[in-house]
Amino acid sequence: QQQVKQSPQSLIVQKGGISIINCAYENTAFDYFPWYQQFPGKGPALLIAIRPDVSEKKEGRFTISFNKSAKQFSLHIMDSQPGDSATYFCAAKRSGAGGTSYGKLTFGQGTILTVHP
Amino acid sequence: GAVVSQHPSWVICKSGTSVKIECRSLDFQATTMFWYRQFPKQSLMLMATSNEGSKATYEQGVEKDKFLINHASLTLSTLTVTSAHPEDSSFYICSAIMGRRNSPLHFGNGTRLTVT
Repeated sequence: QQQVKQSPQSLIVQKGGISIINCAYENTAFDYFPWYQQFPGKGPALLIAIRPDVSEKKEGRFTISFNKSAKQFSLHIMDSQPGDSATYFCAAKRSGAGGTSYGKLTFGQGTILTVHP
Repeated sequence: GAVVSQHPSWVICKSGTSVKIECRSLDFQATTMFWYRQFPKQSLMLMATSNEGSKATYEQGVEKDKFLINHASLTLSTLTVTSAHPEDSSFYICSAIMGRRNSPLHFGNGTRLTVT
């Protein structure tokens, strides 16, 4: 119930191409879905996030598509650049939960993205 | 934007010694801080949740006597790895959240611990 499944495990894209990473969840109580970007030796940085009341959110070259009925969401990176090469994690949480679960994120397994020049 | 500072960024210690890692929220008061552990090419695993002024809540399988967490103030949480062993070598990452309902989670830059 708490799992978030992410695919693919690794992805190689040519510069200028579109990178697509997919995630699926089971827990219908999740209501906040962020994507994080992590470079080697660094902590994750919030990239973009979505709530289930919208089906798509776009920020620059990054777009989240959200399908509530399928319990899936995906990250699209348009015009991928070598500087986008990093590990990407999807995550989910119950933003309104109280007590010790407040703010507690469940992470996907991660996708290593390599963008070739 | 909100910044979480983690110190040290890397540490090497001998087996049997203890190591303390600090996590500070620099420009906001963090009601809750989380400690994660990450092995190479793997996802982040939540170790424990700490709230200011109360005992930390540990995830299943995490030894609370080995990983001591102190959340002494709204801007500082510490993780002490006691009697460290080589298998404790890992990347430890803290994160912090403000008390508001929809506040995002901010991560520190992590601490690379190597136990020899």
